[in-house]
Amino acid sequence: DAKTTQPNSMESNEEEPVHLPCNHSTISGTDYIHWYRQLPSQGPEYVIHGLTSNVNNRMASLAIAEDRKSSTLILHRATLRDAAVYYCILNQYTDKLIFGTGTRLQVFP
Amino acid sequence: DAGITQSPRYKITETGRQVTLMCHQTWSHSYMFWYRQDLGHGLRLIYYSAAADITDKGEVPDGYVVSRSKTENFPLTLESATRSQTSVYFCASSELGIVTHSSYNEQFFGPGTRLTVL
Repeated sequence: DAKTTQPNSMESNEEEPVHLPCNHSTISGTDYIHWYRQLPSQGPEYVIHGLTSNVNNRMASLAIAEDRKSSTLILHRATLRDAAVYYCILNQYTDKLIFGTGTRLQVFP
Repeated sequence: DAGITQSPRYKITETGRQVTLMCHQTWSHSYMFWYRQDLGHGLRLIYYSAAADITDKGEVPDGYVVSRSKTENFPLTLESATRSQTSVYFCASSELGIVTHSSYNEQFFGPGTRLTVL
């Protein structure tokens, strides 16, 4: 599976938008982009996924660059509950997710 | 309870002992996974199973054994525990493989088991 690069940590203030970047310069045409997050002392949870087009759901938005070499997870209004480690993961048509170390997001009141 | 559960939530054992971590899901999901999480390594896949009686290795399978005789259960056994297996273990399930021709199937994670090997 292709690798992703994420910043180790980011900070945000409550109620501000947060843009979490992910670089995946070796992405292939059939790689899906997945985002999961892990709240403190919990298992990871699904956030969003996409292939080529930007995606929105109730939790977040996913903006995918035109060349697909990078993507950005957007939290429109960060809350304290959004403090977590966010994982950007690529996979093709396999059954496995290979997690990296992710981005630790701190949210300040 | 509905969902995915793990037991025990905390376990302390000694080097050389056999330990079994249990995972149970109530959704009848086909796929189940075991991950371990260590500081600085994120989550690493140990084993996974596509259906009852079908298992496959992940990134770090050495020292672990799995079985899947029933769809809803996926126990992970450390046959002879070592200190390097001290970790937090997460079980997950998904209805099908992650991406099929017609659907996306997210993984649902359990609450984790914190294992300490002395």
